[in-house]
Amino acid sequence: QKEVEQDPGPLSVPEGAIVSLNCTYSNSAFQYFMWYRQYSRKGPELLMYTYSSGNKEDGRFTAQVDKSSKYISLFIRDSQPSDSATYLCAMSGGRAGGTSYGKLTFGQGTILTVHP
Amino acid sequence: DAGVTQSPTHLIKTRGQQVTLRCSPKSGHDTVSWYQQALGQGPQFIFQYYEEEERQRGNFPDRFSGHQFPNYSSELNVNALLLGDSALYLCASSLRVGYTFGSGTRLTVV
Repeated sequence: QKEVEQDPGPLSVPEGAIVSLNCTYSNSAFQYFMWYRQYSRKGPELLMYTYSSGNKEDGRFTAQVDKSSKYISLFIRDSQPSDSATYLCAMSGGRAGGTSYGKLTFGQGTILTVHP
Repeated sequence: DAGVTQSPTHLIKTRGQQVTLRCSPKSGHDTVSWYQQALGQGPQFIFQYYEEEERQRGNFPDRFSGHQFPNYSSELNVNALLLGDSALYLCASSLRVGYTFGSGTRLTVV
């Protein structure tokens, strides 16, 4: 069983729709939860970052973490064609030396297409 | 402000050869991590460098090695290349919150 499971999709929605992306995980040590967006031929770009359980909102994006269920979600409101990309959830167990966080464990990624 | 810079962008190597990939972290970042991303998959952690030392290592064989220089830049070396090493190699730098990724080096082994 993979530590992080993410439905690869693909997911196709009309412009303006609400998109829900989800990941489940098995490692209780994960404390930091992130969502990255990756456009074709580019590196992942950090969208949202959450520590422990709770919700976080940033513009059209809302990230939710439920540690009791080992489940995280990313909601995109009023989706736009420019949101078409691969969305990756990533998790970390905390700092491992230095001032930075330890390794990120990624999900497989969900391919999202928003059509006009 | 330049983000994470990786070179080269593309590379074709023959099975059995050795390759060196380079990464310059974002200004002010002191930690560099390397990831391997196969087509259609999420990135897989290779190792992380801080203060010129390898701090964490993922599930990769010893053929994968790295180095961090005093200016925080880093190299990833892969020896005895296999066809399965074909992937996008991503460098990520960080200071505290989150990681900034470069655009990667696309390595093709033939």
